[in-house]
Amino acid sequence: DAKTTQPTSMDCAEGRAANLPCNHSTISGNEYVYWYRQIHSQGPQYIIHGLKNNETNEMASLIITEDRKSSTLILPHATLRDTAVYYCIVGPGSSNTGKLIFGQGTTLQVKP
Amino acid sequence: KAGVTQTPRYLIKTRGQQVTLSCSPISGHRSVSWYQQTPGQGLQFLFEYFSETQRNKGNFPGRFSGRQFSNSRSEMNVSTLELGDSALYLCASSSRTSGGEQFFGPGTRLTVL
Repeated sequence: DAKTTQPTSMDCAEGRAANLPCNHSTISGNEYVYWYRQIHSQGPQYIIHGLKNNETNEMASLIITEDRKSSTLILPHATLRDTAVYYCIVGPGSSNTGKLIFGQGTTLQVKP
Repeated sequence: KAGVTQTPRYLIKTRGQQVTLSCSPISGHRSVSWYQQTPGQGLQFLFEYFSETQRNKGNFPGRFSGRQFSNSRSEMNVSTLELGDSALYLCASSSRTSGGEQFFGPGTRLTVL
C-alpha cells in the first residue's frame, strides 16, 4: 500500500505557483520523499527527491517539514504543460530504488 | 544519451496467448523495473532486475515473469493472457549513481481481446 496521502485534484492559474501537498506520517528515518509526474499516456517523469533538507532543481522545489511527516512540491510558475498527475512516493535511497509504490496521485490542472 | 526504449509500443493479443515485451535501459543503467498501469489499479510494481538477478517482486501471479540480459536489456513475459491484463506496461531504469531517480520509457500498450 502507498505510504502517502495526496489530494485527488487541484487547480492552478497559469503563471502562478502550484503547491502540491503530501502527507507521509509513517515515513521512516532512512526513507526519501520522491516526486514524479505523469502527463497523459506518457511514462512518469522524475521531478525531485529529498531526505530532510529542502531541495530545489530546475523544475521544482521540495519543502519537507522538520518532523518529515509531510512535504510540499512547489512549481514556481506553472504553465499549461505542467498539467499532469503528480505522485508523491516514499522509498529507500539510491541503494535500492527499483521498487516504487505509487498512490493515486494529485491531478493538477493548470488553467489559462 | 538515449532514453529508455520499449518495444513494441502497441500490441493486441487474444485471451490465452502469451506476450513478450522488451525494454532497453539508458546506457550504463543496470537496474530495470517493470510496472503495470490500469485505470482501476493505477501504477503497480511488477518486478525489478539488477545485474541479471531479480531483486524485488510485486504481488502478481506467476504468469508474469521477466529476465535481464548481460547488456541490461530486459524482457517481461505474460503467459495465458486474461482480459484484465490489458494495460500500459512501463519499464524504468536507474543507476546507483543517479541519486535514486528512475527514468521511465513510453510504455507498451497491451490490449487483450
